[in-house]
Amino acid sequence: NAGVTQTPKFQVLKTGQSMTLQCAQDMNHNSMYWYRQDPGMGLRLIYYSASEGTTDKGEVPNGYNVSRLNKREFSLRLESAAPSQTSVYFCASSEASGGTYEQYFGPGTRLTVT
Amino acid sequence: LAKTTQPISMDSYEGQEVNITCSHNNIATNDYITWYQQFPSQGPRFIIQGYKTKVTNEVASLFIPADRKSSTLSLPRVSLSDTAVYYCLVGYTGGFKTIFGAGTRLFVKA
Repeated sequence: NAGVTQTPKFQVLKTGQSMTLQCAQDMNHNSMYWYRQDPGMGLRLIYYSASEGTTDKGEVPNGYNVSRLNKREFSLRLESAAPSQTSVYFCASSEASGGTYEQYFGPGTRLTVT
Repeated sequence: LAKTTQPISMDSYEGQEVNITCSHNNIATNDYITWYQQFPSQGPRFIIQGYKTKVTNEVASLFIPADRKSSTLSLPRVSLSDTAVYYCLVGYTGGFKTIFGAGTRLFVKA
């Protein structure tokens, strides 16, 4: 039981390049989330998926797109990377959506955009 | 969404009890209070959740007064390994947009 896995662990992009961050969970959770964490800051929600087949914007969605590929997988795409997107990206999942359900986090992807 | 306010940082010594208070003046009737812990280079980890009065588990206690406008996370007899950032969240079932805020950096000294 791996929990939440994320790939890659590290990535360096040049401005304007695109990439997709992958996330998978093996806990049969319905809801999945993407957060970003800038140095010394808390986590900010980018997008979430309350259930398979649905996605919705969080606090900071600009510059990102997501795909809930199936119940297990939730990917985050940067179409044209910018230095302001340098951050650590965390994927999380929970049994259902909302503040009463424990979120399980992946190890994070450290992204640098030069 | 209820906004939360926590101290930016706290220092403690090994073996002491640490209390971190979170203010959430606009908490709604359906909201629960949840605390997460984050170590450097890791994702946050759930510690405890409560609605009112007191909740205790093997790691911490959570005290919530009757008006629910604040809550206190209590860590008994901290050790160096408790050095981390602690986040207070307020949210309800169906309230998708959980807000983490900046958290409280706890530094435990020997």
